[in-house]
Amino acid sequence: GENVEQHPSTLSVQEGDSAVIKCTYSDSASNYFPWYKQELGKGPQLIIDIRSNVGEKKDQRIAVTLNKTAKHFSLHITETQPEDSAVYFCAASQLNFGNEKLTFGTGTRLTIIP
Amino acid sequence: DVKVTQSSRYLVKRTGEKVFLECVQDMDHENMFWYRQDPGLGLRLIYFSYDVKMKEKGDIPEGYSVSREKKERFSLILESASTNQTSMYLCASSQDKVTNEQFFGPGTRLTVL
Repeated sequence: GENVEQHPSTLSVQEGDSAVIKCTYSDSASNYFPWYKQELGKGPQLIIDIRSNVGEKKDQRIAVTLNKTAKHFSLHITETQPEDSAVYFCAASQLNFGNEKLTFGTGTRLTIIP
Repeated sequence: DVKVTQSSRYLVKRTGEKVFLECVQDMDHENMFWYRQDPGLGLRLIYFSYDVKMKEKGDIPEGYSVSREKKERFSLILESASTNQTSMYLCASSQDKVTNEQFFGPGTRLTVL
């Protein structure tokens, strides 16, 4: 089965600086890579995703890059703000019919230092 | 807005008790999932269901069972709770066949004494 590794487990960044979280996956058949953000006391929420036919995707201050050859993908947050403090999870899936399970990474606790 | 609700935010049970965790979604989603979240281990899938009365084992189904009698409700059952089942339990639902975006409930923190 799929295995997703995520690094670092914790990350502290000065407000306004950039943050990068990296994930690797094992199954070359995986074709869908979402990122979820979990704020304190809440369930995770999808913030951005990327498919295997795309190398990069941006949404305002967040971007995700994918390297299929190396089987790794990364989340980039620029101009970090206090509300970016949360736990971030990457995930991988073989998305064909829309009901496939996600395999999550172990999470990164991001702290933005004011 | 999609809303996924879980019956309790905090639950304390004794070893050997039968425990029911309930999850209800209000958006007529076909797919529902149960995860447990532990520090350093991320989210691990216990069971999922993509139709009423259907269930599929996830990565860590041992010690758990599920029930889906109605489309909107997915129950996780610990037949005989053990201390190693102390954890945060998260329920999710999804419908979108393009992204399979999962919508999560707020979680139930279960402590087994």
